[in-house]
Amino acid sequence: DAGITQSPRHKVTETGTPVTLRCHQTENHRYMYWYRQDPGHGLRLIHYSYGVKDTDKGEVSDGYSVSRSKTEDFLLTLESATSSQTSVYFCAISVGEGYGYTFGSGTRLTVV
Amino acid sequence: EDQVTQSPEALRLQEGESSSLNCSYTVSGLRGLFWYRQDPGKGPEFLFTLYSAGEEKEKERLKATLTKKESFLHITAPKPEDSATYLCAVQDAGGTSGSRLTFGEGTQLTVNP
Repeated sequence: DAGITQSPRHKVTETGTPVTLRCHQTENHRYMYWYRQDPGHGLRLIHYSYGVKDTDKGEVSDGYSVSRSKTEDFLLTLESATSSQTSVYFCAISVGEGYGYTFGSGTRLTVV
Repeated sequence: EDQVTQSPEALRLQEGESSSLNCSYTVSGLRGLFWYRQDPGKGPEFLFTLYSAGEEKEKERLKATLTKKESFLHITAPKPEDSATYLCAVQDAGGTSGSRLTFGEGTQLTVNP
């Protein structure tokens, strides 16, 4: 099984502070994704990566940036956290044709 | 723009009471339709991939079917442990095998003993 770890699992932060969430995979899968999940909206794509230093925006990318300097790590940064970014964040990897994604366990972020 | 609509939003069943969940989709070209199960506090877990109309996949009490406009997840004689949120997602044929999935909002299934 593809190993995928998100950290931290929970975080409370103040409005206006920067926050970085980490996603780590133990295999060399090329594609990695960041989603947020909110009631009434489901899972929405924030950013994704198709290789080291290769990233692109999803449908809700405003206020977020990403970096991928190594195959195994994909970082999501909230430059200046706002209350609207309170959400559960999931990282996912594409593990091969026909298998969809494997998801991490999520990070619950609360911005106060 | 790809769109996925799931119904109903929530479904309560008695143990053994079979039913179906619906996933309607709009996509320019379908590369794949995916079903996931999500338990509270966890990430979605992959169940099935369907590629073309008429295709069916089964796993224990679950069977997924696909037409050109919708997919159904049939649950036969459910048990309380089948309680979860079921998510449907589509992958556009215009992308590569790793291209993005568009998700529906899910159906929250509760099976009472």
